[in-house]
Amino acid sequence: KNQVEQSPQSLIILEGKNCTLQCNYTVSPFSNLRWYKQDTGRGPVSLTIMTFSENTKSNGRYTATLDADTKQSSLHITASQLSDSASYICVVTFASGGYQKVTFGTGTKLQVIP
Amino acid sequence: DVKVTQSSRYLVKRTGEKVFLECVQDMDHENMFWYRQDPGLGLRLIYFSYDVKMKEKGDIPEGYSVSREKKERFSLILESASTNQTSMYLCASRTGTRNSPLHFGNGTRLTVT
Repeated sequence: KNQVEQSPQSLIILEGKNCTLQCNYTVSPFSNLRWYKQDTGRGPVSLTIMTFSENTKSNGRYTATLDADTKQSSLHITASQLSDSASYICVVTFASGGYQKVTFGTGTKLQVIP
Repeated sequence: DVKVTQSSRYLVKRTGEKVFLECVQDMDHENMFWYRQDPGLGLRLIYFSYDVKMKEKGDIPEGYSVSREKKERFSLILESASTNQTSMYLCASRTGTRNSPLHFGNGTRLTVT
């Protein structure tokens, strides 16, 4: 069964600190992995995409890694800001029946406090 | 920027009512999707459409139907709302290009009483 598991479920950190969110998946055949940020009351927005051949990719203070062998990804947030408070969702795309389909993780809820 | 607009942010309906959720995107995207989001379950796909008048069942289609009469508009229909359909509903669209991202609306929080 195609699954995406994220940890931790929730996290509270002090402003200015770093944190790392984890994503493990069993999806196959793998096409790509995206991290989305969902602010409260808003729809998710894509932060970064990782394809099979990519190990690391940065988008400002966000750095995503991918280990396709162990089927693990992480999202590292550097020097956190209050605006980073949100849910972060790991989404894995796979090929099925001629379509590209996605499986969503349940998200990590991050709260950055002053 | 892609804009995906959902017609209502909050809806309260009674059990048995017919409910229409509307979604419009302004970027000529071929693909449109309806998800529901529940705590601890993540986003689950209800229906999707790859073209006008075309629809495919997702993972949890029971109790729902959809309509796509125009490319920019994708409607979700609850024929007879039930309390277990109380949820956050998210519409999304994307191009047909491989690896393109989903663009989401801001959601409709539906409460069925």
